Amino acid sequence: QKEVEQNSGPLSVPEGAIASLNCTYSDRGSQSFFWYRQYSGKSPELIMFIYSNGDKEDGRFTAQLNKASQYVSLLIRDSQPSDSATYLCAVSLSSASKIIFGSGTRLSIRP
Amino acid sequence: DTAVSQTPKYLVTQMGNDKSIKCEQNLGHDTMYWYKQDSKKFLKIMFSYNNKELIINETVPNRFSPKSPDKAHLNLHINSLELGDSAVYFCASSLAGEGNEQFFGPGTRLTVL
Repeated sequence: QKEVEQNSGPLSVPEGAIASLNCTYSDRGSQSFFWYRQYSGKSPELIMFIYSNGDKEDGRFTAQLNKASQYVSLLIRDSQPSDSATYLCAVSLSSASKIIFGSGTRLSIRP
Repeated sequence: DTAVSQTPKYLVTQMGNDKSIKCEQNLGHDTMYWYKQDSKKFLKIMFSYNNKELIINETVPNRFSPKSPDKAHLNLHINSLELGDSAVYFCASSLAGEGNEQFFGPGTRLTVL
């Protein structure tokens, strides 16, 4: 089982709709969870992090964490064409000082 | 500019050559990383240094040798380059400790012919 799993997509969402990105992880002891956005040809940039169970909102973005189910998601409300990118889920490992990235979900917002 | 910088941005070279990539951060971070991102966009950690000391060394061929002259710099030297080394290499930095945001450099696209 991969340590961090994401659906590779592409996920196509109409402009203005809600985009929902999902991620599962295998390390039950993980404490920190991140969502990075990566535009084509660019470097990853952090858009959200979450440490506690529940929802965390920041503008149009909401991160959701369920540690019992080992599941973290990212919701993007009112999707814009500029949200089209690859979204990388990253999880810290309890056994080592590092974070593991998923393979990313490619999101495409269609006008 | 406050950032993580890498040089060169592009590197095209022949198999068997030796090359280096340099990374510098002026964010005052203690920890620096090298990641490899392959053609399928999978971002995999290679090395991590904390205050010039190696703390993570993933299963990477020993042709790859990182060097950290000080906590603001982390360079990557690659010997005897192979076709499979072609990828984008990202440097990143963060404050020490689990769970801190990592800031990424712009990446170095390495192409081995």
